[in-house]
Amino acid sequence: KQEVTQIPAALSVPEGENLVLNCSFTDSAIYNLQWFRQDPGKGLTSLLLIQSSQREQTSGRLNASLDKSSGRSTLYIAASQPGDSATYLCAVASGTYKYIFGTGTRLKVLA
Amino acid sequence: DAEITQSPRHKITETGRQVTLACHQTWNHNNMFWYRQDLGHGLRLIHYSYGVQDTNKGEVSDGYSVSRSNTEDLPLTLESAASSQTSVYFCASSESTDFYTEAFFGQGTRLTVV
Repeated sequence: KQEVTQIPAALSVPEGENLVLNCSFTDSAIYNLQWFRQDPGKGLTSLLLIQSSQREQTSGRLNASLDKSSGRSTLYIAASQPGDSATYLCAVASGTYKYIFGTGTRLKVLA
Repeated sequence: DAEITQSPRHKITETGRQVTLACHQTWNHNNMFWYRQDLGHGLRLIHYSYGVQDTNKGEVSDGYSVSRSNTEDLPLTLESAASSQTSVYFCASSESTDFYTEAFFGQGTRLTVV
């Protein structure tokens, strides 16, 4: 059974810092991995999608990498801003249960 | 712009009542999903559908049902609401079955069962 873990559960950093969020999964047979952002009381906004054949994807200050063999993905946020404060979720598409989610990393960027 | 909408956004119901949550997408996506989000559990899959007349059980399907009579809609029904079903419910859709493409989520429905 695919399990997805995100570490750390919460993170507080000063504005301007570069930071890395981690996502690990137990079954390397995945179709893709997607990173989402969720603001309090809101839905999920897709940030980056990495297909299983890809190693990384970039969008603005965000860079996501994927190492399928080791079951790991990282989301790198450059020059963090207070507006980046949110919960970040990773989801793996695999098997019959489709998108399996981690429990998220709650990020707070201090001004 | 294409979108995915859920209604209602908030709902309070009594134990034992039947409740239906609506999900409508305008992308013409084949795949649609229902998740519930609870503190400490993250998002868990309830039901999903790959197309019209297709429905499948997810990880936490007991007490829930769905039907897919057209491409745009996947309503979620709680047959007899229980307090354990108090949660935030999210609907999602994506385009392809063979090579999973980006999933888009609705804004969620906060359901309280009293």
